[in-house]
Amino acid sequence: ETGVTQTPRHLVMGMTNKKSLKCEQHLGHNAMYWYKQSAKKPLELMFVYNFKEQTENNSVPSRFSPECPNSSHLFLHLHTLQPEDSALYLCASSQAGGNSNQPQHFGDGTRLSIL
Amino acid sequence: KQEVTQIPAALSVPEGENLVLNCSFTDSAIYNLQWFRQDPGKGLTSLLLIQSSQREQTSGRLNASLDKSSGRSTLYIAASQPGDSATYLCAVTNYGQNFVFGPGTRLSVLP
Repeated sequence: ETGVTQTPRHLVMGMTNKKSLKCEQHLGHNAMYWYKQSAKKPLELMFVYNFKEQTENNSVPSRFSPECPNSSHLFLHLHTLQPEDSALYLCASSQAGGNSNQPQHFGDGTRLSIL
Repeated sequence: KQEVTQIPAALSVPEGENLVLNCSFTDSAIYNLQWFRQDPGKGLTSLLLIQSSQREQTSGRLNASLDKSSGRSTLYIAASQPGDSATYLCAVTNYGQNFVFGPGTRLSVLP
């Protein structure tokens, strides 16, 4: 079983839909992250959670709403998205919260397409 | 604000060659630097993590070096194989900050 699992792998939705992305980690980590990877742009950090508390919101529009019910699960709730939100959304986790000496472990991402 | 660049953007080499990927960062007061590989349609796989106090890390055919004073890191791949074809990203973190990623180098190793 992989360390960080993301579902769904692919998602196509209209601009008025509401959907959620899910991330689950089986590594015993206590920090989790959402990243956005758009074509021809570097990976962009969106949100950071440490011990279930949000510690970073990188000026992300409110149409993206994260939720972290426990240290193993992270959600990204989506509503009224725009075409420019089409991207690969990656979840990561690490030990000891945030900018530590520990490496980040990534899931395979959710490929999101907005029609 | 930390900025990370990677050169070249793309590289194509024949199998068996040794190669070097470059990563540069503007703020040398980093906490650590991490190299990743990303296969098409996949997430990132951590390759090596170098602490700010270290000069290099090795794993198998991979060697990563760090020169903080010049704001550079290199990833050396020995005896390249077609399975090494992927995009390689470096990311740095400054104390109290999260990782900042470079745009990546897309590597193709030809059989």
